[in-house]
Amino acid sequence: GAVVSQHPSWVICKSGTSVKIECRSLDFQATTMFWYRQFPKQSLMLMATSNEGSKATYEQGVEKDKFLINHASLTLSTLTVTSAHPEDSSFYICSAGTGKATNEKLFFGSGTQLSVL
Amino acid sequence: RKEVEQDPGPFNVPEGATVAFNCTYSNSASQSFFWYRQDCRKEPKLLMSVYSSGNEDGRFTAQLNRASQYISLLIRDSKLSDSATYLCVVLGTGNQFYFGTGTSLTVIP
Repeated sequence: GAVVSQHPSWVICKSGTSVKIECRSLDFQATTMFWYRQFPKQSLMLMATSNEGSKATYEQGVEKDKFLINHASLTLSTLTVTSAHPEDSSFYICSAGTGKATNEKLFFGSGTQLSVL
Repeated sequence: RKEVEQDPGPFNVPEGATVAFNCTYSNSASQSFFWYRQDCRKEPKLLMSVYSSGNEDGRFTAQLNRASQYISLLIRDSKLSDSATYLCVVLGTGNQFYFGTGTSLTVIP
């Protein structure tokens, strides 16, 4: 089946630093990639949707200048948390879809646990 | 109203029990429906797609009721390893996926 690789798995950083998370589709072209955040004991919350070659669409309440998303190729999307603060500590996870409506499924990366000190 | 609503639980059931989860969705034009399983601090993994005719995979049975706009998941003969959070996922119009809050299941020895 389709595989999505996400790294790093864990990041611990000081407040004020920027953190980049990568998400790669390994055996298919991901037309669309989704970025989620999940706080403990809560569901996945969609942050933004990115389509290859175009600007990401951010959900309401998500700061686009703080969470920079780049989807420069059909196999790679990155999320950069700029000037991270402790309240940004969360589990970040990406998923990718082929963009084909028929039998479309989501394939998830393994997630990144971000801890900001 | 949320696109997808799901009882967060928790459901605590003894080993061997049968447990059922329901999930409702608001957009009648939704295209596809899925149940995902998520273990703590792990990515969700597809458990099964859900079809109108109902589908079964071993101890798991999923059902879609378009008229009432809900999907269900039935787990028979619960195992300890079934303990996880079960996410209801709906593919809406415009290729947008919507997630339920997840239902927490703990199977007790």
